[in-house]
Amino acid sequence: DADVTQTPRNRITKTGKRIMLECSQTKGHDRMYWYRQDPGLGLQLIYYSFDVKDINKGEISDGYSVSRQAQAKFSLSLESAIPNQTALYFCATSGPGGNEQFFGPGTRLTVL
Amino acid sequence: RKEVEQDPGPFNVPEGATVAFNCTYSNSASQSFFWYRQDCRKEPKLLMSVYSSGNEDGRFTAQLNRASQYISLLIRDSKLSDSATYLCVVNIGGYSTLTFGKGTMLLVSP
Repeated sequence: DADVTQTPRNRITKTGKRIMLECSQTKGHDRMYWYRQDPGLGLQLIYYSFDVKDINKGEISDGYSVSRQAQAKFSLSLESAIPNQTALYFCATSGPGGNEQFFGPGTRLTVL
Repeated sequence: RKEVEQDPGPFNVPEGATVAFNCTYSNSASQSFFWYRQDCRKEPKLLMSVYSSGNEDGRFTAQLNRASQYISLLIRDSKLSDSATYLCVVNIGGYSTLTFGKGTMLLVSP
């Protein structure tokens, strides 16, 4: 089984809808991250969490929120999706040093 | 100025060729450096860390030049399976997060 899983893997939704992307990990890591990737723009950090009680905004947090339900679970929500949030979303985890991040397989989100 | 800059490519090379990528970073306080590999539509994975003294892993050699703030990756004897996007990654340490470059695409042809 994969160490970092994301659900759903693909989602098509409409403008204005609320969407939740979920991430689970079995690596026992405290640190978890959400990124989006757009063609030509690389990986951009949305939110990150260094432990269950810690939530931090990344470089592009506007329009997103997160919830760290447990050490193993970190969810990303789009309260009211808009078309420019169409992207590939990755969840990642890391150990204390934060240097090697382990990524989930990604969620491809399309907002119409 | 972008924090981590890479030539997006693509670099088109034949099998067996040697190819090199460079990356520059803007934050002189950066402490850790890495190359990640990302296959098309897949998740990024750590390829190798980059040490000040330079390091080698099989056909891959990474170099760091702190004075000029650049990192390089050399791939010898390219294989078809090396076709991917290579991401240059920097960490300033402590409670910071990784900063990813946009990646350099490599296409190895028969």
